[in-house]
Amino acid sequence: DVKVTQSSRYLVKRTGEKVFLECVQDMDHENMFWYRQDPGLGLRLIYFSYDVKMKEKGDIPEGYSVSREKKERFSLILESASTNQTSMYLCASSLQRWQSETQYFGPGTRLLVL
Amino acid sequence: AQSVSQHNHHVILSEAASLELGCNYSYGGTVNLFWYVQYPGQHLQLLLKYFSGDPLVKGIKGFEAEFIKSKFSFNLRKPSVQWSDTAEYFCAVTKHNAGNMLTFGGGTRLMVKP
Repeated sequence: DVKVTQSSRYLVKRTGEKVFLECVQDMDHENMFWYRQDPGLGLRLIYFSYDVKMKEKGDIPEGYSVSREKKERFSLILESASTNQTSMYLCASSLQRWQSETQYFGPGTRLLVL
Repeated sequence: AQSVSQHNHHVILSEAASLELGCNYSYGGTVNLFWYVQYPGQHLQLLLKYFSGDPLVKGIKGFEAEFIKSKFSFNLRKPSVQWSDTAEYFCAVTKHNAGNMLTFGGGTRLMVKP
């Protein structure tokens, strides 16, 4: 079974803090994704990566950055957290870049920015 | 840009009732279609997917979905729901052979009353 883990289930941060969300997958997947999930809006893609040190903007990249130094790890960074970034953040991975394949999701990190 | 619409945001059914959740997408080219489900407290997981072939696809737990190209629809059905089907359901679309970027609908929260 594919396992996608996220470093925290719950986080509380203050406005202006730098926030790191970590995601690790154990199945040698090429693709990794960061989404945020908000009620009524579904999941919206923030960034994705199809290889180490590669990244592509998704639909809502503003206020976020990412890092992929190792194939199994994909980090989401909020440079200066704001209250409108309070949300559920989901990481996902899938096997190959150019294939439309199943994405496997982590448990999510619920972030509250005060 | 493609978009995905799920018309029912909240659905409440009694056990043994039939279920149909609507999903429409806006992209005119060839697409791959997915339904994901998120049970309370659990990871988002794949319910079923359509890539090509028979437009009626069967997934886990007795769910099925029908792709109707002329209507840009991929509705999810189950003949008889159970209390354990209480969850949030997400329709998602990706363009065929264009990588693995999913566009999600806003989700439908299903509550099944025992």
